[in-house]
Amino acid sequence: NAGVTQTPKFRILKIGQSMTLQCAQDMNHNYMYWYRQDPGMGLKLIYYSVGAGITDKGEVPNGYNVSRSTTEDFPLRLELAAPSQTSVYFCASSYSKRNTGELFFGEGSRLTVL
Amino acid sequence: GNSVTQMEGPVTLSEEAFLTINCTYTATGYPSLFWYVQYPGEGLQLLLKATKADDKGSNKGFEATYRKETTSFHLEKGSVQVSDSAVYFCAPSDSWGKLQFGAGTQVVVTP
Repeated sequence: NAGVTQTPKFRILKIGQSMTLQCAQDMNHNYMYWYRQDPGMGLKLIYYSVGAGITDKGEVPNGYNVSRSTTEDFPLRLELAAPSQTSVYFCASSYSKRNTGELFFGEGSRLTVL
Repeated sequence: GNSVTQMEGPVTLSEEAFLTINCTYTATGYPSLFWYVQYPGEGLQLLLKATKADDKGSNKGFEATYRKETTSFHLEKGSVQVSDSAVYFCAPSDSWGKLQFGAGTQVVVTP
């Protein structure tokens, strides 16, 4: 099984450029999440979705946008990239929110903004 | 919202040593508690969990007990291996099931 697939794995952007990080899962999970991981800071939730057509902000949504047109896909859009968005981004999914807590993570996308 | 404090790393150990990683949390209500592990170059994966007070989660030789009175969920392993070298994250869940990750503790096990 592919699980959660993220692309690209690495990307370098210039300040002000835009890009989309792709995330797809093949487990028919309802819940999907985007996190960013900064050194020594743990993971911070950017956006999440509880199903197709429904998204909501997490802790650090500024500078990002998401959409959820299908159950499988949950792309993260960066508009006007800034150096503060240099980070490793993880997409995750889960079947249900009800305290199961078992998130399935992708391998991450390392983004550098110069 | 919830918050979580983990001991800082890196924690460096010799093979077969005893490992403890402390984790304390603040939360409203009764969260479920989780430990996730991140091996080099990979995403996080669930290591173990406990959903109510005094529950003990266990997996791969690791254990952690849900201590409601001390709001703690310390991770332990009696005899670590080189393959246990990774970053470990403690995470309580809120009432909506969203996880609050700690900063992570890097563990380095040497032969």
